[in-house]
Amino acid sequence: DGGITQSPKYLFRKEGQNVTLSCEQNLNHDAMYWYRQDPGQGLRLIYYSQIVNDFQKGDIAEGYSVSREKKESFPLTVTSAQKNPTAFYLCASSLTSGSTLYNEQFFGPGTRLTVL
Amino acid sequence: GIQVEQSPPDLILQEGANSTLRCNFSDSVNNLQWFHQNPWGQLINLFYIPSGTKQNGRLSATTVATERYSLLYISSSQTTDSGVYFCAADAGGTSYGKLTFGQGTILTVHP
Repeated sequence: DGGITQSPKYLFRKEGQNVTLSCEQNLNHDAMYWYRQDPGQGLRLIYYSQIVNDFQKGDIAEGYSVSREKKESFPLTVTSAQKNPTAFYLCASSLTSGSTLYNEQFFGPGTRLTVL
Repeated sequence: GIQVEQSPPDLILQEGANSTLRCNFSDSVNNLQWFHQNPWGQLINLFYIPSGTKQNGRLSATTVATERYSLLYISSSQTTDSGVYFCAADAGGTSYGKLTFGQGTILTVHP
C-alpha cells in the first residue's frame, strides 16, 4: 500500500516534555511537509524539506525541530519551548516542490497532540 | 506572502441541492488545490488545479488564474459531502512548496 503514515494517532504530553511525531512515506516523494491545525482553522506550515538532509522553516517554526536523514522519513519534535502545542498535526509529501507538474501535496491521517 | 480567502464560511444544504464554493487568492499561483477534510481529520485531495477546469463525478472545479479565484462546484449533494472544504495555494518563486490554506467552508448536507 502506497501512502503516508503518521504515528501515534493520539499523543498526550505533560508540560515541559519534548515529544516526537513520526511521518513516513513510501511514495518515493522528494518533498515533505509538516502542518499544524487548530480548531476551526486552516492549516499552517511548520517546516518543509525539499531533499534529504535539507529543510526550511515555515510560517510557525518556533518551538519545533525536524530532521530529514532518510527520503522516506520526516519526524517532527515538539519542544518544551512551544507555548501552545495542543493541536492536530498533519504531514504531507509531494513528488517535488519546484515543478508545477509534480508539486501536488498528499496528506497523512494526522496526530492529535494534547498537553496536559 | 499570498493570502487565501474562502467563502462562504458556512453552507447548509438539503440533499440534492447544488452549491458553489469560492476561493480568492492575492497573487499568481504555482499550485492550487482543493481538499475535503472528513470528520476524522483526514484531508482528501479533490483537485489539483492551478488553472483551467476539471471534473470528477459530481464535483468540478475552475481556476481563473488571471482573475485570481477558483470555484468548486458540488452538484446533487449527498450527506456524505458534509465536512470542511479547504482551498490552498502556493505562490511559487521563493515560496515553492509552501501551501497557504484558506479558513475553509463548513458544508452541512441534511437528508
